[in-house]
Amino acid sequence: AQKITQTQPGMFVQEKEAVTLDCTYDTSDQSYGLFWYKQPSSGEMIFLIYQGSYDEQNATEGRYSLNFQKARKSANLVISASQLGDSAMYFCAIATTGAQKLVFGQGTRLTINP
Amino acid sequence: EAGVAQSPRYKIIEKRQSVAFWCNPISGHATLYWYQQILGQGPKLLIQFQNNGVVDDSQLPKDRFSAERLKGVDSTLKIQPAKLEDSAVYLCASAGGMYNSPLHFGNGTRLTVT
Repeated sequence: AQKITQTQPGMFVQEKEAVTLDCTYDTSDQSYGLFWYKQPSSGEMIFLIYQGSYDEQNATEGRYSLNFQKARKSANLVISASQLGDSAMYFCAIATTGAQKLVFGQGTRLTINP
Repeated sequence: EAGVAQSPRYKIIEKRQSVAFWCNPISGHATLYWYQQILGQGPKLLIQFQNNGVVDDSQLPKDRFSAERLKGVDSTLKIQPAKLEDSAVYLCASAGGMYNSPLHFGNGTRLTVT
């Protein structure tokens, strides 16, 4: 069975600072994908970034980057130059390659202060 | 492209009543999911469809929950009879067939059972 652990229930960051959201995972699969989603207070789940287990380079998408440390089973999300609109819940998720079925963590609530 | 459509947006019912939710996925997406998200938790998969066939319904409480995806497009999720613990947001998502493609979520239906 796959499992995602997000140990930070809440994070408070000053605007324009960088922030790292932690995610560790547990899986017995050799091939898998890691995803990060953002959920604003309006409720929709917004896909941010993806990292495949065999990808040698860390994924980046604009201000988002994923710090992937396979040996430590860690897939932390880094948001550079945070903005007020980044305030939301952030979920890390894992899927076995080909299964297209996401298992989510408990989430981290990020609050950006002006 | 149009996103995943869900209705209704909100629903309030009394326990032991029945309720149904509707989802229309992104055009061409073969895989459709229903997730349950209880307040303060990450989404939990209830059922996964591939076209009009069920891929995984292992976490669907089949004594009260049912889902169908006739013709491999729209889907409905029904709860009968509802319990207090069914109060949650029900998220529908769809995915295309590409390798580890991300799930695209609708805005969800917030169900309150009183």
